[in-house]
Amino acid sequence: GAGVSQTPSNKVTEKGKYVELRCDPISGHTALYWYRQSLGQGPEFLIYFQGTGAADDSGLPNDRFFAVRPEGSVSTLKIQRTERGDSAMYLCASGTSSLNSPLHFGNGTRLTVT
Amino acid sequence: AQKITQTQPGMFVQEKEAVTLDCTYDTSDQSYGLFWYKQPSSGEMIFLIYQGSYDEQNATEGRYSLNFQKARKSANLVISASQLGDSAMYFCAMRDFSGGSNYKLTFGKGTLLTVNP
Repeated sequence: GAGVSQTPSNKVTEKGKYVELRCDPISGHTALYWYRQSLGQGPEFLIYFQGTGAADDSGLPNDRFFAVRPEGSVSTLKIQRTERGDSAMYLCASGTSSLNSPLHFGNGTRLTVT
Repeated sequence: AQKITQTQPGMFVQEKEAVTLDCTYDTSDQSYGLFWYKQPSSGEMIFLIYQGSYDEQNATEGRYSLNFQKARKSANLVISASQLGDSAMYFCAMRDFSGGSNYKLTFGKGTLLTVNP
């Protein structure tokens, strides 16, 4: 079956611009996560959705970052007034509500802020 | 707070030999799960193996096995009969089962494994 799909795969933007990153999870997965991964580091948690609501957004670094999942499926991570420090790989993952089930990751969006 | 420590930034192994990648964790919860992922240079995170804190036996999945020592809070990944395609970053991750925001995985910094021919 289809895995987690993330678009675009690469995004280059200028400092100060607004960007949107899209995630299409595995069909039927109620849980959706966004992570950020810097070069040579492990993924860092940003936000978790259960259905349409953000159950945990404690990892969002500041109020320039926002994410939505209006219909409980596709999610969009939105970054306002981008800064060079936002450059990273943004990973989306989906999963079931079972705690012993793994997260299934997409291939990520590599964001570069110039 | 959860913490995952992977002390080996890089490891080398000869093809066909076994290798152990270390992972220690810190949690005050009794119920949790441990996951290992592989990330090749292509960037995709690939799930390898899972161990629950109450599982009595060490998990195995093909050439992957988990050396789980609960008292020492360690969950080392053992890869047997290494292949060139095993060259990748390997991440250990944990999920607490008993907290409020208990669904997220917390990752370590990873170990870069290089398999030499």
